[in-house]
Amino acid sequence: QKEVEQNSGPLSVPEGAIASLNCTYSDRGSQSFFWYRQYSGKSPELIMFIYSNGDKEDGRFTAQLNKASQYVSLLIRDSQPSDSATYLCAVCSAGNMLTFGGGTRLMVKP
Amino acid sequence: GAGVSQSPSNKVTEKGKDVELRCDPISGHTALYWYRQSLGQGLEFLIYFQGNSAPDKSGLPSDRFSAERTGGSVSTLTIQRTQQEDSAVYLCASSLVGGAFYEQYFGPGTRLTVT
Repeated sequence: QKEVEQNSGPLSVPEGAIASLNCTYSDRGSQSFFWYRQYSGKSPELIMFIYSNGDKEDGRFTAQLNKASQYVSLLIRDSQPSDSATYLCAVCSAGNMLTFGGGTRLMVKP
Repeated sequence: GAGVSQSPSNKVTEKGKDVELRCDPISGHTALYWYRQSLGQGLEFLIYFQGNSAPDKSGLPSDRFSAERTGGSVSTLTIQRTQQEDSAVYLCASSLVGGAFYEQYFGPGTRLTVT
């Protein structure tokens, strides 16, 4: 069974700090990796996706992928209270569906 | 442009009744996905459509669940003889085409409560 693992948190960081969110996956055939943000009571909102080893930056967000270690992470620089949400890691393997981790709850304290 | 829309936003039904949930994908998106999110199970895949065909139904939890898509656009998820364990948020997503390298965008979801 394909698994995607995340620490449930909560991860608490002070405003302005870097938040680091981590995700591991079990299927070595996984092809693409997505980070979604989900506010309480809302649906998931796509932040970034990555499919090549290394870093991908978009504004305050950086996704990092290491396929050898089966590890993907999301860094949020200059964290703001509005970044407080649950962050979902999702993996796409041979099929077209996404397999989601359980999410990490991030709290950014003013 | 308009995102994925779903209706109704909330549905309360009695155990044993049938329900229909609707999804209207982003215009031009040929791939459509249904997921559900519940407290105990997290976010799980149900079914995938490419155009009007459903090449992957592997996530449907029982034969009480079915889905169709007509005209390559709107999709309906039907749950027959609802059970309390069907209570969840049902999310629809769409992407330009099916495939690992295309982003999936989610609609607002339908919260289903079975009493």
